[in-house]
Formats: sequence, structure tokens, C-alpha cells
Amino acid sequence: QITLKESGPTLVKPTQTLTLTCTFSGFSLSTSGVGVGWIRQPPGKALEWLALIYWNDDKRYSPSLKSRLTITKDTSKNQVVLTMTNMDPVDTATYYCAHWWVPSRCFDYWGQGTLVTVSS
Amino acid sequence: QSALTQPPSASGSPGQSVTISCTGTSSDVGGYNYVSWYQQHPGKAPKLMIYEVSKRPSGVPDRFSGSKSGNTASLTVSGLQAEDEADYYCSSYAGSNTYYVFGTGTKVTVL
Repeated sequence: QITLKESGPTLVKPTQTLTLTCTFSGFSLSTSGVGVGWIRQPPGKALEWLALIYWNDDKRYSPSLKSRLTITKDTSKNQVVLTMTNMDPVDTATYYCAHWWVPSRCFDYWGQGTLVTVSS
Repeated sequence: QSALTQPPSASGSPGQSVTISCTGTSSDVGGYNYVSWYQQHPGKAPKLMIYEVSKRPSGVPDRFSGSKSGNTASLTVSGLQAEDEADYYCSSYAGSNTYYVFGTGTKVTVL
């Protein structure tokens, strides 16, 4: 079965760069038609899509955050990494990674999420 | 890009039906049949309930149904049960530039 798990720091300081890792199993990012994305949710607020990477290394970013985001994959490790630069307290949120169901353009399997707090 | 618009709350008694709207534009909801709905219980990850406007993943009860008319999609939960109390988010593919957008979320309360 497909599982995903996010890992990374729980606390970062303003202006720092956040690096989050999504480790998954049950599928391979070297298989045609596969994608992994990142979504975040500030406490008590709505979901926000951040980025997506495909098996062929095609990458998509939220237009409003594109300048701050980088998504990469390590197929051999079954990992996807998201970096977000210049962190601010408003970036405090639970960050989720999820399996992107390419034909249906939706996220069908989600990780448990990791809470990242931005504070000095 | 702007989030899709959902009512903040909806409610119904057990056994009744509740319908949640999701309003976008011709660039997202109205332009593609890639509307999805997610259920999220407190402290939990979202769960896919509806995809491609009206299709249900395996294991999702047929009490959940989706539809779309123009720039507005809807999720209907029939025969409300206590476990249906949760937050619900719509989402839509939005083309090659904006790409993907979520709704503002609706809290469903079972009275």
C-alpha cells in the first residue's frame, strides 16, 4: 500500500530556509504517471497547495510562492524534498506531502503532516 | 491565485442531507472536470472523498456525491452520520499556470 511520511525541523527562525523531506513507499517516482506534491495548512486555516514534482522531473509551483520554493526528488531513496526560503511567522503550518494521482489530478494518499513553527 | 469559495459552515441532523458549494471561475472549476473533495477530521490528514467531480474512491460510502454546474461544484452528504462531522475542502485543477487550488473549507456539524 502507499504510505508517505514528512520529516524535518519543527522550529525554524525567521529568514531561515526550511527543508522538508517526504519519504514514501508503495510506488516509485521513476514510474511513468506518478507525482508527489506538498500542501500546507496554517493552524485553523485552509489547505494551500505548494508544489508538485512528476516522474519525469517536471515541476509545478504555486504562483504566489514560486520564488521561494524548490522541489526535488531522489528516486533511489524514494524521497521528495521541498525547500522554502526566507521563512516568516506566517509560514507556520502543518506541511503535508501527498501522492498525486496524475490521471485524475488529485491527491489520493496523504502523509500525516508535520507542524513547522517559525519563531525567533 | 484565489482560493475557491466555500461557505464557512453547514449543518444537518442525523439522517438528513447537507450540500456544500464550491465556487470558482472558468479558469478552474468551470474549465475542467477535475474537481475533488477532501474530508478532514481534527488533527488528521485530509482524505480524498470525490474526484473528477463525481467519482468516489474505493471505500468511500455512496452517501457522498458530487456534481458541477458552470463555475460551481457541490458535495452532498446524504443520510448524515455522526462521523461525517468534519471539515470539507474542494479543489480543482486550474490549468498550466495556476495549476491547483483548494477551497476555503466548510465545517460540517451534525446536530
